[in-house]
Amino acid sequence: GQSLEQPSEVTAVEGAIVQINCTYQTSGFYGLSWYQQHDGGAPTFLSYNALDGLEETGRFSSFLSRSDSYGYLLLQELQMKDSASYFCAVRVDFNKFYFGSGTKLNVKP
Amino acid sequence: EADIYQTPRYLVIGTGKKITLECSQTMGHDKMYWYQQDPGMELHLIHYSYGVNSTEKGDLSSESTVSRIRTEHFPLTLESARPSHTSQYLCASSGQGNEQFFGPGTRLTVL
Repeated sequence: GQSLEQPSEVTAVEGAIVQINCTYQTSGFYGLSWYQQHDGGAPTFLSYNALDGLEETGRFSSFLSRSDSYGYLLLQELQMKDSASYFCAVRVDFNKFYFGSGTKLNVKP
Repeated sequence: EADIYQTPRYLVIGTGKKITLECSQTMGHDKMYWYQQDPGMELHLIHYSYGVNSTEKGDLSSESTVSRIRTEHFPLTLESARPSHTSQYLCASSGQGNEQFFGPGTRLTVL
C-alpha cells in the first residue's frame, strides 16, 4: 500500500517561518509535489522535487531526501492569506499520484 | 492560464439515481484524473486516463465508471448513487510537466 504522513495541523504567527513535514512509503517514487488548498477551493500546485535538495520559489521552499523518504515545505514571512491546507503528493509512476491527508496551517496576527 | 471545468458545481440527488459528473479541459493535456475528497481530508484517486480510449482504476473506483472518447472530456458516472457517495469530486489534468491542474470541483449530496 501507499502511506504518506503529515502533521494534521500547524499554527504560526504572521511573519514567522513554518515547516511542514511529509514522510512517505510508496511502491514507486518519481517525485514529491506540494499543493495548497484554501477552504472551499481547488488544490493549486506549489512545487515538485524529483532530486534531493532544496528548491526555492519566492517565499516557499521545498526539500527532498530520497534516502530518508522525507520532504518538507518551508513557508517564510507568513501572511494571513497563507492560512490553508497543504498536501504532499508522491508521483508513484509516470501517470499516478498519491496524496497525503493534508496539514491545516493557521496563521494568526 | 489553466482551463479546466466541472459541471455541475453542486448536486443534490436521491438514492439510486444514475449521475454523470462532467469534466472538460482546453489545454490539450493527455492525462486526466478524478479524485474524491471529504472536507479537510486527503484526495483519493478514483480513476485516471493517460490518453484517448485509455482509463485505469484508482483506489475507490468500484462504484463508478469513466470514459475518454475525446482528449478534452473525461466524465465520471455513478450508476446508482448512495449516501456514502456524498463528497466533493475533483477533476484534474496534467501535460508533460509535473503539475496537476484542478477543476473547481462538484459537491455531491445523496439523500
